[in-house]
Amino acid sequence: ETGVTQSPTHLIKTRGQQVTLRCSSQSGHNTVSWYQQALGQGPQFIFQYYREEENGRGNFPPRFSGLQFPNYSSELNVNALELDDSALYLCASSFRAQQETQYFGPGTRLLVL
Amino acid sequence: AQKVTQAQTEISVVEKEDVTLDCVYETRDTTYYLFWYKQPPSGELVFLIRRNSFDEQNEISGRYSWNFQKSTSSFNFTITASQVVDSAVYFCALSGSTNAGKSTFGDGTTLTVKP
Repeated sequence: ETGVTQSPTHLIKTRGQQVTLRCSSQSGHNTVSWYQQALGQGPQFIFQYYREEENGRGNFPPRFSGLQFPNYSSELNVNALELDDSALYLCASSFRAQQETQYFGPGTRLLVL
Repeated sequence: AQKVTQAQTEISVVEKEDVTLDCVYETRDTTYYLFWYKQPPSGELVFLIRRNSFDEQNEISGRYSWNFQKSTSSFNFTITASQVVDSAVYFCALSGSTNAGKSTFGDGTTLTVKP
């Protein structure tokens, strides 16, 4: 069984740029959630995708957008990067019927300069 | 709105000591789920346990045990005979039945176990 994977592991961008982060869900999982974790804080829910549609969104602006593909992998896109977007971005996958148990990937560390 | 409070920001113990990490939550949902995760320096959140709101039975798994008390909205985590490898940030999280898998996390407790 393959776990959740994310790419890239680290990324450095400058303010105003755009970034795409990628996530492959665990085998058998059809739901992907994205979280932002700022330094010293707990993860904050960004949004969730189920069967290629957004299924819940946290308190994040529209410049945070996502996609889910037929193979259940997912992308997180952030436009017009701001310094405060610097964080660890975590992807979690789950199976809809047991959606409450999520399994997390290793994360992507984004630094915005 | 949901809220999870982990009042202990940092805890430091000496190896073999027992340590309890506190978690207090708030939710209006009648059905919800509580979780504990471990986050080592590598960053990946490691799932430890999930507890349903209608199951208040305490659970023990090796050196780990969890005490769920609905009356006080608490879900505390105890590590018995701590080891250096237990050093990590531990997060308590809450997911409600209406939230479609969205989890609300506390800010975590950093546990340092010294040899």
